[in-house]
Amino acid sequence: ELKVEQNPLFLSMQEGKNYTIYCNYSTTSDRLYWYRQDPGKSLESLFVLLSNGAVKQEGRLMASLDTKARLSTLHITAAVHDLSATYFCAVPRTEKLVFGKGTKLTVNP
Amino acid sequence: EAQVTQNPRYLITVTGKKLTVTCSQNMNHEYMSWYRQDPGLGLRQIYYSMNVEVTDKGDVPEGYKVSRKEKRNFPLILESPSPNQTSLYFCASSPNRGRETQYFGPGTRLLVL
Repeated sequence: ELKVEQNPLFLSMQEGKNYTIYCNYSTTSDRLYWYRQDPGKSLESLFVLLSNGAVKQEGRLMASLDTKARLSTLHITAAVHDLSATYFCAVPRTEKLVFGKGTKLTVNP
Repeated sequence: EAQVTQNPRYLITVTGKKLTVTCSQNMNHEYMSWYRQDPGLGLRQIYYSMNVEVTDKGDVPEGYKVSRKEKRNFPLILESPSPNQTSLYFCASSPNRGRETQYFGPGTRLLVL
């Protein structure tokens, strides 16, 4: 059974600081997705990582995928308040996505 | 605008009263799916559909039904809702397969009393 684990589950950080969220998964996958969810809102696709070594960047967020280690990271650079949200990684398994439990990020002034 | 829509967005009902949550997408996607999101449990798949008239169970299908009579619509039916079905429900779609990026609807918050 595929398990997807994120850590930390809660992250409170100050504006301007850097931090990394980790996503580990238990069975082989050639791709991984990151989503963002604002409170009370839907999930928005952030990154699609389709191969080993894939790196994608958008603004202050950068995601990478190491399929051999079964690990993806989401790095936050110089955090700003607007990045406060819950971030999910998801790994495909047959005809569904298996989600991690999410990392709730709070960026404080 | 390309989107997945759900109705209603909020619903309060009582145990045993049948209800339907509609889902529609305008992207001509083959694949559609329903998830529920619960605190501490994350998102779990209820049912999915690969195409018209093709549906299959996800991880938590008990108490739910679906149908796919048209490509764009994928309603979720609760024949006899119970309080443990109180949750936030999301419909999602993707161009061809469930392993592709899925695009999510706005969510339906359901409370069963």
